[in-house]
Amino acid sequence: KNEVEQSPQNLTAQEGEFITINCSYSVGISALHWLQQHPGGGIVSLFMLSSGKKKHGRLIATINIQEKHSSLHITASHPRDSAVYICAPEETSGSRLTFGEGTQLTVNP
Amino acid sequence: EAQVTQNPRYLITVTGKKLTVTCSQNMNHEYMSWYRQDPGLGLRQIYYSMNVEVTDKGDVPEGYKVSRKEKRNFPLILESPSPNQTSLYFCASFSYSYNSPLHFGNGTRLTVT
Repeated sequence: KNEVEQSPQNLTAQEGEFITINCSYSVGISALHWLQQHPGGGIVSLFMLSSGKKKHGRLIATINIQEKHSSLHITASHPRDSAVYICAPEETSGSRLTFGEGTQLTVNP
Repeated sequence: EAQVTQNPRYLITVTGKKLTVTCSQNMNHEYMSWYRQDPGLGLRQIYYSMNVEVTDKGDVPEGYKVSRKEKRNFPLILESPSPNQTSLYFCASFSYSYNSPLHFGNGTRLTVT
């Protein structure tokens, strides 16, 4: 069983819709990373958070350490948001990172 | 410009021929790590290093070696590549000191025939 569960695996939305991607994990963590991977392969870090909530532009990430759950929200989605979104909890001991399988987001105009 | 540089971007080789994929960062990051990405399996950690001369196995270390002699460099060595090591490889780094996010290299697409 994967230690990190992301949902949904695939998500198709219309431009302007509010998007939520969920991540649940089973290990104790010191931080959790949200990553974005566009077609062509490059990976960009969107957020690193260890508690509460962070916001960058239209993107919001939240984490509940007690419930071992994090969410990534995209407000007013746009076709350029189409990408794979990956959550990666960072274990408390030794900084081992595990990865969710990713959520493929497609935003149609 | 702050970056993680991986080379080469593409590499085709034959079974058993030793190769090295280089990774260098210019941000004075303590932590560096190697991952491979395969369809349906996502990203998996190969090795990581929390500082100079400190390396640890990740989830899939078999068939790989690393070294961290200097803070900026973290090469990935395949002593005897096999076809099951055909994959997309990423190097990444971050700093504990100033709580930085992960910085990824552009990836190396390796094909072993």
